[in-house]
Amino acid sequence: DIQMTQSPSSLSTSVGDRVTITCRASQSISSYLNWYQQKPGKAPKLLIYAASSLQSGVPSRFSGSGSGTDFTLTISSLQPEDFATYYCQQSYSTPFTFGPGTKVDIK
Amino acid sequence: EVQLVQSGAEVKKPGESLKISCKGSGYSFASYWIGWVRQMPGKGLEWMGIIYPGDSDTRYSPSFQGQVTISADKSISTAYLQWSSLKASDTAMYYCARQGYCSGGTCYVLFDYWGQGTLVTVSS
Repeated sequence: DIQMTQSPSSLSTSVGDRVTITCRASQSISSYLNWYQQKPGKAPKLLIYAASSLQSGVPSRFSGSGSGTDFTLTISSLQPEDFATYYCQQSYSTPFTFGPGTKVDIK
Repeated sequence: EVQLVQSGAEVKKPGESLKISCKGSGYSFASYWIGWVRQMPGKGLEWMGIIYPGDSDTRYSPSFQGQVTISADKSISTAYLQWSSLKASDTAMYYCARQGYCSGGTCYVLFDYWGQGTLVTVSS
């Protein structure tokens, strides 16, 4: 199985800040990487697919980059509704494993 | 509108069996993989497996192989996740999600639509 790691595991930040979350795969996964946002008590929501493609309806302040083993999710200017947990997922080979998550909360 | 509607919360005892469901609407159910994702209390997302309702092709995570059974009935646009003998450690929220999106001749593996989740509590 491909193992996914994320850093940091949590971060405290403020509205308007730029936020960067890193995801690393245990082997090369090309650009087969998705990002999801999950708020408490809710199902996850797809933000980014294929490492850098923005899902329809997702604000442009979210962006993704990377290929191979190292990826980043960037929120250019954090909004109040962005406080949530973010997960990466590799879609290179089954099982399509998720990262452990990064919780973004209010400083 | 694409929707996945899951069955309601369940409270079971260890050793009991259970089958939860996920009904799709608003799209061609047989033509998209459906996946199941576990989220234990306070924990992250775990990919359990997927099924293609068109031909019932199924893939499991090694972590869940033999522990659960994924099935689907395309005639009623419903996927299932079942246990033959529940354990306390099966207590979790379970989500179904539609896997796959195609655009311009390219298909992507992703979960674009999710059910609302089914909470399974196993306790004596």
